[in-house]
Amino acid sequence: AQSVTQPDIHITVSEGASLELRCNYSYGATPYLFWYVQSPGQGLQLLLKYFSGDTLVQGIKGFEAEFKRSQSSFNLRKPSVHWSDAAEYFCAVVLTGGGNKLTFGTGTQLKVEL
Amino acid sequence: GAGVSQSPRYKVAKRGQDVALRCDPISGHVSLFWYQQALGQGPEFLTYFQNEAQLDKSGLPSDRFFAERPEGSVSTLKIQRTQQEDSAVYLCASSASSGDRDFGPGTRLTVL
Repeated sequence: AQSVTQPDIHITVSEGASLELRCNYSYGATPYLFWYVQSPGQGLQLLLKYFSGDTLVQGIKGFEAEFKRSQSSFNLRKPSVHWSDAAEYFCAVVLTGGGNKLTFGTGTQLKVEL
Repeated sequence: GAGVSQSPRYKVAKRGQDVALRCDPISGHVSLFWYQQALGQGPEFLTYFQNEAQLDKSGLPSDRFFAERPEGSVSTLKIQRTQQEDSAVYLCASSASSGDRDFGPGTRLTVL
């Protein structure tokens, strides 16, 4: 079945430590790939996206993600986490040629310890 | 500029009541989307409008759910005869023709 998987429900990191949030997809063709962040009471904010080209994508707030076709993955990374990064992170896909339906993973809740 | 706004932000309904949730998209955005986000889950697609045309309603969970966008701007999501399983945050997003989606803050619906 076609799906977007975020294997980690919760992750806790210390402030200043590096971060990697995992995302895997299961589709026949490479979809368009996105990472969103959702803070309590806030709308979803787009961090970055991948359509084609360079597989390392830079986003806002110091985040980056790397598309790996061989692993069907699009993991989100940040070299040094700030306390304000505590939030829920969602990986999402749009199927190429599949209209406008944005399909989300179940999310990873990030906690930052001071 | 103003982002996507939704009202009300919180709604409590008794089981069986009808509710209407409003979305004001960013001015000029032709595309509008509704999502349902249950507690602890990612948002799930409900329906999509391009201007006033509802092009995809495949995610609406039952015929109790109805969405409209009669003039191609403001949209209303209506849920008839609410059930407890309808309790969720309902998110609205809008986008320009080929742009990124801007999400509203959501309406949290609690059905008692």
